[in-house]
Amino acid sequence: SQTIHQWPATLVQPVGSPLSLECTVEGTSNPNLYWYRQAAGRGLQLLFYSVGIGQISSEVPQNLSASRPQDRQFILSSKKLLLSDSGFYLCAWSDGILNEQYFGPGTRLTVT
Amino acid sequence: KNEVEQSPQNLTAQEGEFITINCSYSVGISALHWLQQHPGGGIVSLFMLSSGKKKHGRLIATINIQEKHSSLHITASHPRDSAVYICAVQLANAGGTSYGKLTFGQGTILTVHP
Repeated sequence: SQTIHQWPATLVQPVGSPLSLECTVEGTSNPNLYWYRQAAGRGLQLLFYSVGIGQISSEVPQNLSASRPQDRQFILSSKKLLLSDSGFYLCAWSDGILNEQYFGPGTRLTVT
Repeated sequence: KNEVEQSPQNLTAQEGEFITINCSYSVGISALHWLQQHPGGGIVSLFMLSSGKKKHGRLIATINIQEKHSSLHITASHPRDSAVYICAVQLANAGGTSYGKLTFGQGTILTVHP
């Protein structure tokens, strides 16, 4: 069966520090991968998606970047965090065919 | 105006009541998803549908493509159903694929009291 992992679960970082959130998927190959953010009191928003290794599409301009160095690994990064980067970050995958999405447990990021 | 609108934003019910959450959208879609977000933040996919009706246990989801409207029903509600219910749509891409990208509603906060 397929599983999706995210870490860390929670993170508190000062403004201006770097960020690296990691997501890995097991039990499937060539998944579509997604990074979403849920800011406090707001709905979910798609940040990045990837249909293959090294292929990243950004949905909104922001202070963040994403990379997919391996088929089942998706990384969200920032060189310098802003207060507005605080939120709940979710990674998800789909098979690219049926496109039902499966979400990871999420990372709660607080930028202080 | 958001492309996906949910109503109500907040819903309080007594255990055993029949619950309906509505979702309207203003764009062409290839599929609509209903998601459940628990208090800790974890999200579970409940349904993905592109036409008609689906049922899973006490949950029923319907969609009317012509009216651009979907409903999520919970029969015999229980306190464990308390969660945020989120409607999300997969936009239809003429001549291509949407790659499963989702656009979300704001969510409906459901509280079921015993």
